[in-house]
Amino acid sequence: NAGVTQTPKFQVLKTGQSMTLQCAQDMNHNSMYWYRQDPGMGLRLIYYSASEGTTDKGEVPNGYNVSRLNKREFSLRLESAAPSQTSVYFCASSGRAYEQYFGPGTRLTVT
Amino acid sequence: EDQVTQSPEALRLQEGESSSLNCSYTVSGLRGLFWYRQDPGKGPEFLFTLYSAGEEKEKERLKATLTKKESFLHITAPKPEDSATYLCAVQHNDYKLSFGAGTTVTVRA
Repeated sequence: NAGVTQTPKFQVLKTGQSMTLQCAQDMNHNSMYWYRQDPGMGLRLIYYSASEGTTDKGEVPNGYNVSRLNKREFSLRLESAAPSQTSVYFCASSGRAYEQYFGPGTRLTVT
Repeated sequence: EDQVTQSPEALRLQEGESSSLNCSYTVSGLRGLFWYRQDPGKGPEFLFTLYSAGEEKEKERLKATLTKKESFLHITAPKPEDSATYLCAVQHNDYKLSFGAGTTVTVRA
């Protein structure tokens, strides 16, 4: 089992460009999450999907959109990237026990 | 507002020197408290879940405990490979976790 996979691993964007971060899990988990991690601020929830077909805002949703494509896949889209979105992005998934399993992260720089 | 505070921010230990990390929280309706380990450049790795005050969990040199207002992660006789950032998170009324900023532990040989 690969667990949670994310693509790409690294990305550099210019201000105003758009991109989609991909996430997939093979643990048959119902819930999936997108976080960003910034120095000194810990992990902050951007969006989550409690189950296939549903999505909800987290703590810092502005500037992002998400799509729960199916039970396995949950993507995060930046429509018009800004320097403030420079961060490390993590996808996670959880099953009935609520413990979340994380992917390896995407390191995004917006110039 | 729910808050999770970890202390200290950084901890430097000599190999074999036991110590504890603290995670204090203010949250209503705690459903679970989670500990994670994060190595540089990687995603957090799940360690433990604690559900009620008095509960303890152990894994190798790590032991997590929970009271009504805080959790401790005890590292007994640490080795250099225990160097990492340790994160705690609380789950309250729904699926969401609130994370602390982490404690970075460095163990010198």
